[in-house]
Amino acid sequence: NAGVTQTPKFQVLKTGQSMTLQCAQDMNHEYMSWYRQDPGMGLRLIHYSVGAGITDQGEVPNGYNVSRSTTEDFPLRLLSAAPSQTSVYFCASSSAGQGYQPQHFGDGTRLSIL
Amino acid sequence: DQQVKQNSPSLSVQEGRISILNCDYTNSMFDYFLWYKKYPAEGPTFLISISSIKDKNEDGRFTVFLNKSAKHLSLHIVPSQPGDSAVYFCAASEGAQKLVFGQGTRLTINP
Repeated sequence: NAGVTQTPKFQVLKTGQSMTLQCAQDMNHEYMSWYRQDPGMGLRLIHYSVGAGITDQGEVPNGYNVSRSTTEDFPLRLLSAAPSQTSVYFCASSSAGQGYQPQHFGDGTRLSIL
Repeated sequence: DQQVKQNSPSLSVQEGRISILNCDYTNSMFDYFLWYKKYPAEGPTFLISISSIKDKNEDGRFTVFLNKSAKHLSLHIVPSQPGDSAVYFCAASEGAQKLVFGQGTRLTINP
């Protein structure tokens, strides 16, 4: 049972470089989200999607792009990396049933921008 | 302006005793409140939730209490076990699965 898979686990970038963080889920979940976690802070929502072809901004969307062409995949793109984007990034997915449906998180991507 | 706050960065409890983790929020429109548990180098895992129309939800050793008038919720763990040592995040849902997280409380269970 893979659940939510994030790749890579670690990445070091130079300022100005671009990259894509990958997220895939095998639970046929409709909802997917990206969060970042910084020291001393909780997770903050970057972007989310309620289904293929539909995305929306969260609390801290600047500097990031997303797309959702399939149910399974929800990649996060850093357009021009900045040191302020050094963080741990978590992808999550959940179903769209009645009431609160728990979000299932991947194990994170630790990203350092030099 | 932080909508969900956990004012205790850490908590130490003896094994077998009760652990109480606290959380405050400001937005009256939150519809669900949750607790997630996180071990190092892993993603958060869901622990328990409560609807805004209830004041208590219980699941085994874990109970969450919601006081809407005080905009406060708490997680009780009884009895506390060594495996409960982790960082606990309080979160609130704004709908469509959009979560707002607190800063987290590191719980240490001592033998």
